[in-house]
Amino acid sequence: GAGVSQSPSNKVTEKGKDVELRCDPISGHTALYWYRQRLGQGLEFLIYFQGNSAPDKSGLPSDRFSAERTGESVSTLTIQRTQQEDSAVYLCASSSGQGDQPQHFGDGTRLSIL
Amino acid sequence: GESVGLHLPTLSVQEGDNSIINCAYSNSASDYFIWYKQESGKGPQFIIDIRSNMDKRQGQRVTVLLNKTVKHLSLQIAATQPGDSAVYFCAENNHNQGGKLIFGQGTELSVKP
Repeated sequence: GAGVSQSPSNKVTEKGKDVELRCDPISGHTALYWYRQRLGQGLEFLIYFQGNSAPDKSGLPSDRFSAERTGESVSTLTIQRTQQEDSAVYLCASSSGQGDQPQHFGDGTRLSIL
Repeated sequence: GESVGLHLPTLSVQEGDNSIINCAYSNSASDYFIWYKQESGKGPQFIIDIRSNMDKRQGQRVTVLLNKTVKHLSLQIAATQPGDSAVYFCAENNHNQGGKLIFGQGTELSVKP
Protein backbone atom coordinates (compact mmCIF):
# COMPACT_ATOMS: atom_id res chain seq x y z
CA GLY A 1 0.00 0.00 0.00
CA ALA A 2 1.00 3.63 -0.28
CA GLY A 3 3.27 5.03 2.37
CA VAL A 4 3.67 8.57 3.63
CA SER A 5 4.18 10.95 0.74
CA GLN A 6 5.91 14.30 1.03
CA SER A 7 6.32 17.11 -1.48
CA PRO A 8 8.37 18.69 -2.75
CA SER A 9 11.32 16.34 -2.26
CA ASN A 10 13.71 19.28 -2.55
CA LYS A 11 13.17 23.00 -2.10
CA VAL A 12 15.69 25.78 -2.56
CA THR A 13 14.63 29.30 -1.67
CA GLU A 14 16.04 32.64 -0.75
CA LYS A 15 16.30 33.87 2.80
CA GLY A 16 13.17 35.76 3.82
CA LYS A 17 10.79 33.83 1.57
CA ASP A 18 7.92 31.71 2.87
CA VAL A 19 7.78 27.98 2.14
CA GLU A 20 5.04 25.41 2.39
CA LEU A 21 5.73 21.70 2.76
CA ARG A 22 3.11 19.03 2.21
CA CYS A 23 2.52 15.64 3.77
CA ASP A 24 0.03 12.95 2.75
CA PRO A 25 -0.19 10.36 5.53
CA ILE A 26 -1.02 6.69 5.24
CA SER A 27 -4.75 6.33 4.70
CA GLY A 28 -6.59 5.71 7.95
CA HIS A 29 -3.80 6.93 10.20
CA THR A 30 -5.22 9.29 12.79
CA ALA A 31 -1.91 10.67 14.05
CA LEU A 32 0.48 12.81 12.01
CA TYR A 33 3.88 14.15 13.06
CA TRP A 34 6.45 16.62 11.77
CA TYR A 35 10.15 16.37 12.61
CA ARG A 36 13.23 18.26 11.53
CA GLN A 37 16.59 16.63 10.87
CA ARG A 38 19.71 18.71 10.53
CA LEU A 39 22.68 17.23 8.68
CA GLY A 40 24.25 14.35 10.57
CA GLN A 41 21.87 14.62 13.49
CA GLY A 42 18.87 12.91 14.95
CA LEU A 43 15.29 13.99 14.47
CA GLU A 44 13.78 16.88 16.41
CA PHE A 45 10.05 16.81 17.12
CA LEU A 46 8.12 19.81 15.83
CA ILE A 47 4.37 19.20 16.05
CA TYR A 48 1.80 16.44 16.01
CA PHE A 49 -1.89 16.05 15.27
CA GLN A 50 -4.12 13.37 16.76
CA GLY A 51 -7.64 13.13 15.42
CA ASN A 52 -9.70 16.17 16.33
CA SER A 53 -7.63 17.04 19.40
CA ALA A 54 -5.70 20.28 19.62
CA PRO A 55 -2.25 19.76 18.08
CA ASP A 56 0.84 19.51 20.26
CA LYS A 57 2.94 22.43 19.06
CA SER A 58 5.54 22.19 21.79
CA GLY A 59 8.42 21.48 19.40
CA LEU A 60 7.97 24.42 17.03
CA PRO A 61 11.17 26.48 17.29
CA SER A 62 9.62 29.90 16.65
CA ASP A 63 6.41 31.62 15.65
CA ARG A 64 7.62 31.56 12.04
CA PHE A 65 6.67 27.88 12.01
CA SER A 66 3.07 26.71 11.75
CA ALA A 67 1.23 23.64 10.57
CA GLU A 68 -2.28 22.67 9.65
CA ARG A 69 -4.07 19.42 9.03
CA THR A 70 -7.33 18.91 7.21
CA GLY A 71 -9.32 16.27 9.06
CA GLU A 72 -7.31 13.08 9.06
CA SER A 73 -5.62 13.71 5.75
CA VAL A 74 -3.06 16.05 4.29
CA SER A 75 -0.95 18.37 6.43
CA THR A 76 1.08 21.42 5.50
CA LEU A 77 4.04 22.85 7.40
CA THR A 78 4.66 26.53 6.71
CA ILE A 79 7.83 28.41 7.49
CA GLN A 80 7.59 32.18 7.14
CA ARG A 81 10.51 34.55 6.55
CA THR A 82 12.94 31.67 6.20
CA GLN A 83 16.40 31.90 7.75
CA GLN A 84 19.54 29.97 6.87
CA GLU A 85 19.29 27.96 10.08
CA ASP A 86 16.00 26.56 8.78
CA SER A 87 17.97 24.51 6.24
CA ALA A 88 17.29 20.86 7.09
CA VAL A 89 15.27 17.84 6.05
CA TYR A 90 11.68 18.05 7.21
CA LEU A 91 10.17 14.65 7.83
CA CYS A 92 6.54 13.70 8.23
CA ALA A 93 5.28 10.52 9.88
CA SER A 94 1.91 9.00 10.57
CA SER A 95 0.63 6.29 12.86
CA SER A 96 -2.60 4.51 13.63
CA GLY A 97 -2.66 6.04 17.12
CA GLN A 98 -0.50 7.97 19.48
CA GLY A 99 2.14 6.74 21.88
CA ASP A 100 2.95 3.08 21.51
CA GLN A 101 2.26 2.69 17.82
CA PRO A 102 5.12 2.80 15.31
CA GLN A 103 5.39 5.96 13.29
CA HIS A 104 5.98 5.50 9.58
CA PHE A 105 8.00 8.16 7.82
CA GLY A 106 8.06 9.72 4.41
CA ASP A 107 11.35 10.51 2.68
CA GLY A 108 11.22 14.14 3.69
CA THR A 109 11.64 17.52 2.05
CA ARG A 110 15.21 18.76 1.85
CA LEU A 111 15.02 22.53 2.40
CA SER A 112 17.94 24.74 1.51
CA ILE A 113 17.90 28.44 2.32
CA LEU A 114 20.32 30.54 0.29
CA GLY B 1 16.45 17.46 30.17
CA GLU B 2 15.29 14.35 28.39
CA SER B 3 17.79 12.74 26.09
CA VAL B 4 18.38 9.54 24.28
CA GLY B 5 21.98 8.90 23.34
CA LEU B 6 24.08 6.28 21.66
CA HIS B 7 27.35 4.92 23.02
CA LEU B 8 29.03 4.46 19.63
CA PRO B 9 28.67 6.91 16.76
CA THR B 10 30.15 4.46 14.23
CA LEU B 11 30.30 0.70 14.03
CA SER B 12 32.15 -1.34 11.43
CA VAL B 13 31.50 -5.08 11.16
CA GLN B 14 32.40 -7.89 8.82
CA GLU B 15 29.66 -9.36 6.67
CA GLY B 16 28.14 -12.35 8.43
CA ASP B 17 29.05 -11.17 11.91
CA ASN B 18 26.48 -10.09 14.47
CA SER B 19 26.09 -6.37 15.19
CA ILE B 20 25.09 -4.75 18.46
CA ILE B 21 24.03 -1.12 18.58
CA ASN B 22 23.54 0.43 22.00
CA CYS B 23 21.42 3.27 23.28
CA ALA B 24 21.05 4.96 26.67
CA TYR B 25 17.97 6.89 27.69
CA SER B 26 17.55 9.26 30.60
CA ASN B 27 13.78 9.44 31.13
CA SER B 28 12.77 6.61 33.44
CA ALA B 29 9.11 7.39 32.66
CA SER B 30 9.53 6.37 29.00
CA ASP B 31 7.42 3.32 28.26
CA TYR B 32 7.83 2.72 24.55
CA PHE B 33 11.00 2.37 22.52
CA ILE B 34 11.62 1.99 18.84
CA TRP B 35 14.51 1.42 16.45
CA TYR B 36 14.74 2.94 13.00
CA LYS B 37 17.11 2.40 10.08
CA GLN B 38 17.86 5.36 7.84
CA GLU B 39 19.57 5.08 4.48
CA SER B 40 21.03 8.09 2.74
CA GLY B 41 18.37 10.35 1.27
CA LYS B 42 15.53 8.32 2.77
CA GLY B 43 13.24 8.67 5.73
CA PRO B 44 13.66 6.47 8.82
CA GLN B 45 12.39 2.94 8.33
CA PHE B 46 10.74 1.15 11.25
CA ILE B 47 12.68 -1.92 12.39
CA ILE B 48 11.29 -3.06 15.73
CA ASP B 49 9.68 -1.67 18.87
CA ILE B 50 9.33 -2.73 22.48
CA ARG B 51 7.14 -1.68 25.36
CA SER B 52 8.41 -1.19 28.87
CA ASN B 53 6.60 -4.28 30.18
CA MET B 54 8.96 -6.42 28.10
CA ASP B 55 12.72 -6.90 28.22
CA LYS B 56 13.25 -8.66 24.91
CA ARG B 57 11.58 -8.80 21.54
CA GLN B 58 12.65 -10.59 18.39
CA GLY B 59 12.00 -9.93 14.75
CA GLN B 60 13.50 -11.20 11.56
CA ARG B 61 17.30 -11.20 12.20
CA VAL B 62 16.85 -8.48 14.79
CA THR B 63 16.44 -8.51 18.56
CA VAL B 64 15.82 -5.58 20.86
CA LEU B 65 16.78 -5.78 24.51
CA LEU B 66 15.54 -3.37 27.14
CA ASN B 67 17.18 -2.99 30.55
CA LYS B 68 15.08 -0.59 32.58
CA THR B 69 17.33 -0.85 35.61
CA VAL B 70 20.17 0.88 33.82
CA LYS B 71 18.01 2.61 31.19
CA HIS B 72 19.69 0.86 28.30
CA LEU B 73 18.40 -0.33 24.96
CA SER B 74 20.20 -2.40 22.36
CA LEU B 75 19.59 -3.63 18.84
CA GLN B 76 21.16 -6.87 17.76
CA ILE B 77 21.39 -7.74 14.08
CA ALA B 78 22.25 -11.33 13.27
CA ALA B 79 24.38 -12.28 10.26
CA THR B 80 24.88 -8.67 9.21
CA GLN B 81 24.64 -8.06 5.47
CA PRO B 82 25.90 -5.21 3.27
CA GLY B 83 22.29 -4.05 2.92
CA ASP B 84 22.23 -3.41 6.65
CA SER B 85 24.66 -0.52 6.21
CA ALA B 86 22.82 2.61 7.34
CA VAL B 87 22.38 4.93 10.30
CA TYR B 88 20.38 3.43 13.15
CA PHE B 89 18.36 5.55 15.56
CA CYS B 90 16.72 4.65 18.82
CA ALA B 91 13.76 6.69 20.00
CA GLU B 92 11.65 6.81 23.13
CA ASN B 93 8.12 7.82 24.03
CA ASN B 94 6.29 8.52 27.25
CA HIS B 95 2.58 8.04 26.61
CA ASN B 96 1.78 10.72 29.20
CA GLN B 97 3.45 13.21 26.90
CA GLY B 98 1.50 12.24 23.84
CA GLY B 99 2.89 10.75 20.67
CA LYS B 100 6.16 12.56 20.14
CA LEU B 101 9.32 10.51 19.85
CA ILE B 102 12.65 11.64 21.28
CA PHE B 103 15.47 10.47 19.06
CA GLY B 104 19.10 9.71 19.74
CA GLN B 105 21.87 11.01 17.51
CA GLY B 106 22.30 7.79 15.54
CA THR B 107 24.94 5.14 14.96
CA GLU B 108 26.36 4.56 11.51
CA LEU B 109 26.74 0.87 10.75
CA SER B 110 29.22 -0.06 8.04
CA VAL B 111 29.32 -3.65 6.81
CA LYS B 112 32.53 -4.80 5.14
CA PRO B 113 32.18 -7.55 2.52
